[in-house]
Amino acid sequence: NAGVTQTPKFQVLKTGQSMTLQCAQDMNHEYMSWYRQDPGMGLRLIHYSVGAGITDQGEVPNGYNVSRSTTEDFPLRLLSAAPSQTSVYFCASSYDRYQPQHFGDGTRLSIL
Amino acid sequence: KQEVTQIPAALSVPEGENLVLNCSFTDSAIYNLQWFRQDPGKGLTSLLLIQSSQREQTSGRLNASLDKSSGRSTLYIAASQPGDSATYLCAASNAGNNRKLIWGLGTSLAVNP
Repeated sequence: NAGVTQTPKFQVLKTGQSMTLQCAQDMNHEYMSWYRQDPGMGLRLIHYSVGAGITDQGEVPNGYNVSRSTTEDFPLRLLSAAPSQTSVYFCASSYDRYQPQHFGDGTRLSIL
Repeated sequence: KQEVTQIPAALSVPEGENLVLNCSFTDSAIYNLQWFRQDPGKGLTSLLLIQSSQREQTSGRLNASLDKSSGRSTLYIAASQPGDSATYLCAASNAGNNRKLIWGLGTSLAVNP
């Protein structure tokens, strides 16, 4: 049972580039979410999904897009990378939004 | 607006000591409160979840309490071990429709052999 798998683990981008952070879970969880973790800021919710085909914005959605075409996958797209998006990104899933979330190991992203 | 604070930011204790980590929240209208552990370079692992109607939850050497009236939760770790070294985060879920989690910044714990 792999749990929540995030790829890549590390990535360096140049300003203006786009990329997709991948997240997959094999627990048949309906609720999935993306967070970013920055020093002194704590975890902040970017986008979340309560099921396939349904997504919604969190606290800091600007500059990011998501889609949920299947229950298993919830990719996060950076449209035009900016240095302010340098962060550690975590994907999480749970049975529903009220249950404890299972986290991936994170993607460490640097924007130059 | 809900704010979650964890004090101290860092704690160092000798092995075997019983210890308490603190989490404070400003809005008592919470749905639940959760404690997580984060190891360096890793994601978060859920430790305990306390519903707003509960006073405490226990798992092994861990006990979490919730006092909504005072806006406090504590995580008690009994007989600490070096393997308990990690950052511990608490998160409060508000009682509104979105049940969004509001996170503290964490307490970095070092248990020294």
